[in-house]
Amino acid sequence: AQSVTQLDSQVPVFEEAPVELRCNYSSSVSVYLFWYVQYPNQGLQLLLKYLSGSTLVESINGFEAEFNKSQTSFHLRKPSVHISDTAEYFCAVSIEGAQKLVFGQGTRLTINP
Amino acid sequence: NAGVTQTPKFQVLKTGQSMTLQCAQDMNHNSMYWYRQDPGMGLRLIYYSASEGTTDKGEVPNGYNVSRLNKREFSLRLESAAPSQTSVYFCASRDNANTGELFFGEGSRLTVL
Repeated sequence: AQSVTQLDSQVPVFEEAPVELRCNYSSSVSVYLFWYVQYPNQGLQLLLKYLSGSTLVESINGFEAEFNKSQTSFHLRKPSVHISDTAEYFCAVSIEGAQKLVFGQGTRLTINP
Repeated sequence: NAGVTQTPKFQVLKTGQSMTLQCAQDMNHNSMYWYRQDPGMGLRLIYYSASEGTTDKGEVPNGYNVSRLNKREFSLRLESAAPSQTSVYFCASRDNANTGELFFGEGSRLTVL
């Protein structure tokens, strides 16, 4: 069975600083990987996803994540964060044909001015 | 562009009371899901429905029942609410492309006193 570990429950950073949110997964088969973002008092929205092909995937708001098969990781990065990036971020994994998406515990990103 | 709609958004119950959370999606998705979100625990799957007429237990089904009324609607029922069921509940539907991408409602915040 798949599992997902987000290594940091909270990450505080200053505005315009770089950030990395870490995600590791375990699976014996090929996976699909996702990052979801949850802004305060809202539902989850898809930020980016890796299905196949290029291991570096990007979102429209400057985030990127790299699929590293050997390290079973899918870390999320942004070179310069903005106050509006304050949210909780969830890493998730699925396998082809599976009905379930397995989520990590979430990382709360706090941006300080 | 309604997507996934959940009602009610907020509810306060007394221990032992019953209630039903309603969910509807307008994206013609086959699969639908109910998750609960608790601090530090990420999202945990309660029940899911892979298609109209089928339902299956997830990770934390005890104390809940579900009904897949038709392709659009998937309800979650608490027959006898307990304080441990105080949580935020999210309904989601899954893209039929089989990649695992989920689309979430805005959540229902339930408090059981």
